[in-house]
Amino acid sequence: SELTQPPSVSVSPGQTAGITCSGDALAKQDAYWYQQRPGQAPVLVIYRDTERPSGIPERFSGSSSGTTVTLTISGVQAEDEADYYCQSEDISGAYQLFGGGTKLTVL
Amino acid sequence: VQLLDSGGGLVQPGGSLRLSCAASGFTFSNYAMSWVRQAPGKGLEWVSSMTSADVTYYADSVKGRFTISRDNSKNTMYLQMNSLRAEDTALYYCAKTNWGSGFDIWGQGTMVTVSS
Repeated sequence: SELTQPPSVSVSPGQTAGITCSGDALAKQDAYWYQQRPGQAPVLVIYRDTERPSGIPERFSGSSSGTTVTLTISGVQAEDEADYYCQSEDISGAYQLFGGGTKLTVL
Repeated sequence: VQLLDSGGGLVQPGGSLRLSCAASGFTFSNYAMSWVRQAPGKGLEWVSSMTSADVTYYADSVKGRFTISRDNSKNTMYLQMNSLRAEDTALYYCAKTNWGSGFDIWGQGTMVTVSS
């Protein structure tokens, strides 16, 4: 079972960025999103497809449809430039899965 | 809430290493814990998880070579890594695991290099 993300997404400051993640497991399992800035540990930004942890700006949101989930960043800021990873579980729940990561570039 | 990874280093192929993850700021015994690694310039890869009831899970790539454990009296999780291979070279992160809420707290990572 795999999760597939686009390698890169580019957006201008103030615009909206969408990062997709596709995989069969997503039809039945929750998705999570992590932000990783260069040289830093990952940070959880979305859990259970659409929930935002405390301290995460409101411009980060998540959505789900069938086997695809999407992380949307509205009003992108320069500080949002980072790698973003989706994560879920396989159908059995025994294995955790990560997408390959998407590099968000703020032009 | 903090996780402090340690124990990484340089080891020869076929060698062993034990990583530690010291937790503070939350009730350690109530939560599952996990290890996630990142090879240089690559993405995140889940390695292993251990529930609060001591049930363990492993990625196929490490099954039979790595062992996850925890000592709730010391608020510490461990990863015993045996028969290490070059492809195990990575930054290893420990992560507090909240089923249904993801890997919500991460350590700073400890580097493991397998090379002769």
